[in-house]
Amino acid sequence: KQEVTQIPAALSVPEGENLVLNCSFTDSAIYNLQWFRQDPGKGLTSLLLIQSSQREQTSGRLNASLDKSSGRSTLYIAASQPGDSATYLCAVGNQAGTALIFGKGTTLSVSS
Amino acid sequence: GAGVSQTPSNKVTEKGKYVELRCDPISGHTALYWYRQSLGQGPEFLIYFQGTGAADDSGLPNDRFFAVRPEGSVSTLKIQRTERGDSAVYLCASSSWGGLNTGELFFGEGSRLTVL
Repeated sequence: KQEVTQIPAALSVPEGENLVLNCSFTDSAIYNLQWFRQDPGKGLTSLLLIQSSQREQTSGRLNASLDKSSGRSTLYIAASQPGDSATYLCAVGNQAGTALIFGKGTTLSVSS
Repeated sequence: GAGVSQTPSNKVTEKGKYVELRCDPISGHTALYWYRQSLGQGPEFLIYFQGTGAADDSGLPNDRFFAVRPEGSVSTLKIQRTERGDSAVYLCASSSWGGLNTGELFFGEGSRLTVL
């Protein structure tokens, strides 16, 4: 059974810092990996999708990497801003390829 | 529509009652997913539709939960004999492709269910 773990559970940084969020998964036979952002009381917004054959994806100040062999992904956020404050969720495709399995998320707080 | 629409946004009901939650996916999206999210947790998979059929319902917790998608567009999640433990935010997502191999999921804002 696929399990997804995100470390740290919470992170507080001053504005302008670069930071890394970590995601690990137990079964390397994944279909893809997706990073989401969730604001309090809101739904999920997709940030980056990495196909199983890819190693990284970039969008603006965000860069996500994928290492299937070690069961790890990282989300790198450059020059953090207060507007980046949210919960970041990592999700991997399950063995059947029919659903994403989510971690519990990392709650990020960026202070000005 | 422009995004995934879920109604109602909030639902308060009493233990033992029947509840229906509706999801209207992005137009043309063939794949539809239901998730449940409890406070402080990541979303938990419930069911996946490809068109009108449930391709994977392994996440439904018990037979009180049922979902339909009769015309391959709008879906309804039905919960019978609600229990306090059913209280959560129920999220719906859709994807433009069948399955996860190439599909990026787009989520609605969720329906918050409170069972008193």
